[in-house]
Amino acid sequence: SQTIHQWPATLVQPVGSPLSLECTVEGTSNPNLYWYRQAAGRGLQLLFYSVGIGQISSEVPQNLSASRPQDRQFILSSKKLLLSDSGFYLCAWRPDSQTMGSGSSYEQYFGPGTRLTVT
Amino acid sequence: GNSVTQMEGPVTLSEEAFLTINCTYTATGYPSLFWYVQYPGEGLQLLLKATKADDKGSNKGFEATYRKETTSFHLEKGSVQVSDSAVYFCALDSGTYKYIFGTGTRLKVLA
Repeated sequence: SQTIHQWPATLVQPVGSPLSLECTVEGTSNPNLYWYRQAAGRGLQLLFYSVGIGQISSEVPQNLSASRPQDRQFILSSKKLLLSDSGFYLCAWRPDSQTMGSGSSYEQYFGPGTRLTVT
Repeated sequence: GNSVTQMEGPVTLSEEAFLTINCTYTATGYPSLFWYVQYPGEGLQLLLKATKADDKGSNKGFEATYRKETTSFHLEKGSVQVSDSAVYFCALDSGTYKYIFGTGTRLKVLA
């Protein structure tokens, strides 16, 4: 079976410090990977998605970046955190459409999240 | 473009009450539709899904029917429990790599 891990679970960082959040998926290959942010009491904001190693699509211009150095590893980074970067960061995956075949429908699977507080 | 609209929350109900959370969508083609649930401090979990018109998704007593004529996918449960208190998200997959999520509806069930 497939599992998705995120770490750390919680993080408190000062303004201006760097950030690195990691997400890994087990039990599948070539997944589509996603980073979302959820501000307190708000909905989901898609930040980045990736359909393959080294392929990153950015949805929202900001001081965050993402990388996919390995097939099942997705990293969210920042060089200098802002107060507005505080939130709950969720990683998600879903099977690759080419693997599953056209016409298939498959849901996204979410990790447990990382609670980031920038002080 | 594609979009999902959910009813505003919070929704507060007494235990054993009937629940409806409205969800309507705008999309080209034939999207798949999902309901996710998020318990406090956790990630989202798939609750149910429907992939074509008139499909009914169901799980844990929750149901939703894909209505193409009204572009709706309303979530219902006949008798809610305190443990159902959570945030519920309606979502759409139009066949691109990205999902479209609604803004979420917070449900609070009182004993």
